[in-house]
Amino acid sequence: QQQVKQSPQSLIVQKGGISIINCAYENTAFDYFPWYQQFPGKGPALLIAIRPDVSEKKEGRFTISFNKSAKQFSLHIMDSQPGDSATYFCAARIGRTGGTSYGKLTFGQGTILTVHP
Amino acid sequence: EAGVVQSPRYKIIEKKQPVAFWCNPISGHNTLYWYRQNLGQGPELLIRYENEEAVDDSQLPKDRFSAERLKGVDSTLKIQPAELGDSAVYLCASSFSTGSYEQYFGPGTRLTVT
Repeated sequence: QQQVKQSPQSLIVQKGGISIINCAYENTAFDYFPWYQQFPGKGPALLIAIRPDVSEKKEGRFTISFNKSAKQFSLHIMDSQPGDSATYFCAARIGRTGGTSYGKLTFGQGTILTVHP
Repeated sequence: EAGVVQSPRYKIIEKKQPVAFWCNPISGHNTLYWYRQNLGQGPELLIRYENEEAVDDSQLPKDRFSAERLKGVDSTLKIQPAELGDSAVYLCASSFSTGSYEQYFGPGTRLTVT
């Protein structure tokens, strides 16, 4: 069952532009929402994460916006660079109300980002 | 500090053959995860260990998949017999504790079943 829906599947942006990736969830047991970045031939690596009681978190050029009432969150990459070309996954962590599933991450399907120079 | 180590990086086998993957997590990380990543998809959890105890194996196809983490450090994931649909990248990850959303992934083993 797909619990975290991610869009778009792929995204092409010009250097210097803004990349926006969106995710939506249903399960109210989720309590943390990380984003992972994956380069070809590598495992995913944590990029940035947000708690649901925070509406926005910024780290450098990366910003997460969170809308708790809509159960949606998004990643914004400002001033996108060719080195940002990778696959991005949103994820959601099951909180302590999830019992033995506490800590389990559910990943979205991924967005392939290509930044043209 | 060394990251999560996985071997082999690539494996090609014929269907019905057995295969095993090995993972050594980051030193000090008590929680170890095995994920399967199908082409164009996000990782899906197969099994999670807390030290040597499997605390979540609900997504592990137990008829053909098995895993162990005998001493609470490195781990092995086995498939016997492999099927065509098992072709995927098998990722190992570790974290300091079971609740951490920050998981450190290895490079994965790309399995091709012919």
